[in-house]
Amino acid sequence: RKEVEQDPGPFNVPEGATVAFNCTYSNSASQSFFWYRQDCRKEPKLLMSVYSSGNEDGRFTAQLNRASQYISLLIRDSKLSDSATYLCVVNALGNFNKFYFGSGTKLNVKP
Amino acid sequence: DAGVIQSPRHEVTEMGQEVTLRCKPISGHDYLFWYRQTMMRGLELLIYFNNNVPIDDSGMPEDRFSAKMPNASFSTLKIQPSEPRDSAVYFCASGSGDAFFGQGTRLTVV
Repeated sequence: RKEVEQDPGPFNVPEGATVAFNCTYSNSASQSFFWYRQDCRKEPKLLMSVYSSGNEDGRFTAQLNRASQYISLLIRDSKLSDSATYLCVVNALGNFNKFYFGSGTKLNVKP
Repeated sequence: DAGVIQSPRHEVTEMGQEVTLRCKPISGHDYLFWYRQTMMRGLELLIYFNNNVPIDDSGMPEDRFSAKMPNASFSTLKIQPSEPRDSAVYFCASGSGDAFFGQGTRLTVV
């Protein structure tokens, strides 16, 4: 079983829509969670960390559900510029600094 | 800060040749990571260092791959001999509890 699993998508949504992605992880002891964004032929960039209590950054909200071992990313009022692949990241068992990346969920925001 | 700097950005080489990829991490970061990304396998962690010391190289595919970090501001990933299946984008990242990526080296082995 992969350490991190994501729906590859693509999610095709109109501008202004709200879209949510989930990501499941296999290690119940994981402590560090992140969402990264990767544009085509570019490097992954840190979008936001995910905290136990959930956190928000503008139009982006991240949630952690430890009981079900998943994290989520909600994007409100989506923009054309949000089109990218979103990568879920979880730390390895017993190692806060070894990160596993999901294969990514592709988002296409259409005019 | 200039961010993580990788060189070269693109490399095309013939099978059997030695390839060396270079990375300058962000100053002050105590962790350095090498990742490989392909369409089939996504982003895979090859090896990472803490304070210049290799901590986990379990992701290095085979003995043809080696990585060094002689000081806090420089690391190399070497493939010798290279094979067509090594074609991928190789990312270096650095961080302290997180990871910031360089722009990557797109390697093509023909």
